[in-house]
Amino acid sequence: DGGITQSPKYLFRKEGQNVTLSCEQNLNHDAMYWYRQDPGQGLRLIYYSQIVNDFQKGDIAEGYSVSREKKESFPLTVTSAQKNPTAFYLCASCDSTGELFFGEGSRLTVL
Amino acid sequence: EDQVTQSPEALRLQEGESSSLNCSYTVSGLRGLFWYRQDPGKGPEFLFTLYSAGEEKEKERLKATLTKKESFLHITAPKPEDSATYLCAVPFYGQNFVFGPGTRLSVLP
Repeated sequence: DGGITQSPKYLFRKEGQNVTLSCEQNLNHDAMYWYRQDPGQGLRLIYYSQIVNDFQKGDIAEGYSVSREKKESFPLTVTSAQKNPTAFYLCASCDSTGELFFGEGSRLTVL
Repeated sequence: EDQVTQSPEALRLQEGESSSLNCSYTVSGLRGLFWYRQDPGKGPEFLFTLYSAGEEKEKERLKATLTKKESFLHITAPKPEDSATYLCAVPFYGQNFVFGPGTRLSVLP
């Protein structure tokens, strides 16, 4: 089945650690996104990529980094510079109509 | 400033009690308004896209409508399985989207 696969579903981070969240898609979409969702809030854009080897900062990019070496993959690294990383992270891709296809999400908790 | 707001923040309905959710936006040159459903601990799932004022779309017990300043998601005779958070989103620049904070709907049996 086509879709977005995120892993891991749950992740724990100690202070000072970098962690990487995986996002893979087999929908052949060019555009991919990373969103952060906090309780009671909408989705906030971290980074997006519209083509391989190119990506742009979103509204809350500080403390995060991404790469887009393959069309299918858009991993997100949460660095130690992100002071409040505990959140639900959602990866998505976008088709030509503008419809977003989301993964199941990754919940990151700082210990 | 382009933004999207939703009301109410939370809504509790009895099974069969119809109601509406609101999504208001201040985006110049609207290029579509999207509705998504999100279950707890899951990623949002696409429901509807509306492009022009006066447009309506329906899916089972849900009907979405669009005016120049807002969209409504009407829920007719809801069932407990309709309980979820409903998000609306508007394209911003390029293929970016501004999401509203969502309405958390609970339908009690």
